[in-house]
This record gives sequence, C-alpha cells and structure tokens, in this order.
Amino acid sequence: DQQVKQNSPSLSVQEGRISILNCDYTNSMFDYFLWYKKYPAEGPTFLISISSIKDKNEDGRFTVFLNKSAKHLSLHIVPSQPGDSAVYFCAASAKAGNNRKLIWGLGTSLAVNP
Amino acid sequence: GAVVSQHPSRVICKSGTSVKIECRSLDFQATTMFWYRQFPKKSLMLMATSNEGSKATYEQGVEKDKFLINHASLTLSTLTVTSAHPEDSSFYICSARDRVRGNTEAFFGQGTRLTVV
Repeated sequence: DQQVKQNSPSLSVQEGRISILNCDYTNSMFDYFLWYKKYPAEGPTFLISISSIKDKNEDGRFTVFLNKSAKHLSLHIVPSQPGDSAVYFCAASAKAGNNRKLIWGLGTSLAVNP
Repeated sequence: GAVVSQHPSRVICKSGTSVKIECRSLDFQATTMFWYRQFPKKSLMLMATSNEGSKATYEQGVEKDKFLINHASLTLSTLTVTSAHPEDSSFYICSARDRVRGNTEAFFGQGTRLTVV
C-alpha cells in the first residue's frame, strides 16, 4: 500500500516555465514533508521541506504548497532550468518513537527542455 | 548542507563473498543512519535504521543476518552484505540525520552500485 503517491512518473517542461510536481498521501499522521532531487547513480539531495502546521514554504525558485484537507502537496519550480532535470521524490514522515522514518513516493522524472 | 560520504561508489564481487559499505557523516554527528536499497525504476526501499551504539532495526522482509549493520560511532555506519548473490546486486544508499539540526531532514550519501557476478 503506497502511502505517498506521485502519480505522474514523468513531466516535461520548457526552460523558463513553471514546473509543478504533485504528491498525495494517505496517512493523516504524517506531519512533515520533504522533497528530494536525485540524479542517476547518486544519492538524493534534500531540496525543501514543510511542516504540517504550514501551508507554504519558499526557498528561492522552489516553493512547496501543502493542502492538508486534500492530503496533497506540490513542488513548484520557477523558472525551470535545464539543470533541474532529475527525478524528484516526495517523502513524508510521522514521529514513531524516537525515530522518524521517511516514506517515499516513486518519484517523478522532470525534463526541462532548453 | 551537511555532507555524507559513502564508500565505495562501485563494487563488483564474486558470488559468495562479503562486501562492506561505509557511510560517514563528515561535518556533523549522526545519531541515526538509514540504509536504503533502490531497484531500477523503483523508489527507495528502507532496509534498516541504525542508532549509534545500539542494534539496527530492520524493516520487514530484510534479513538481518544477510545485511549486517554496525553503527559504532556518531560518524560511521557500515553495511555488510554477507555471502552476496547476484540477486543482491542493487544500488545501496545511506542517509544520516544531524543530531543538532533535528530529526527531520536526512542527508544522503552518493550511493554504492553493487554488482555480484
């Protein structure tokens, strides 16, 4: 049972335009959400996160929006650049004892075309 | 951001041998380290969580005797794939949480491509 879903396996966007990557979750206990970027044969790189007490967090070209009632979050990249081409993973966590495990989506492959 | 170094980046070994993968946090103390496995075109699968000085907690379906995890210090965790078989060939990635920054973001190593022949 996939608790974190990224329903679009791929997305293609023109350079300079906005990229919107979506993520849905089912577990209402999740209280922290993260986006990671991953290039082939490399580990993921942390991009941006949001706590469930917020509905928006912005960092430069990256903005994450959280809609708790819809159990939906999205990552906006604007303007998109060719170097943004990578696989983007959405992850969510809930406190479980002393540790927090990250539950991952399957990723969305973003291609930004020059 | 914090730096996590994973070594080796690639390893090819013969079936039946053991392989050790190291994960080091270079500029922070990692109270918790995670080991993942990624299959082609699949998401990251958490194998185990290790806390410094205690036994690792393995996810369901992961053989603890096959994937030995040691987290002997606040900056080093190792994963040993024992008696490796071709089906163990995969991309293994570690991540670490910074004790100071809190227990949310995790920083990842570069990954290790293991090929068992």
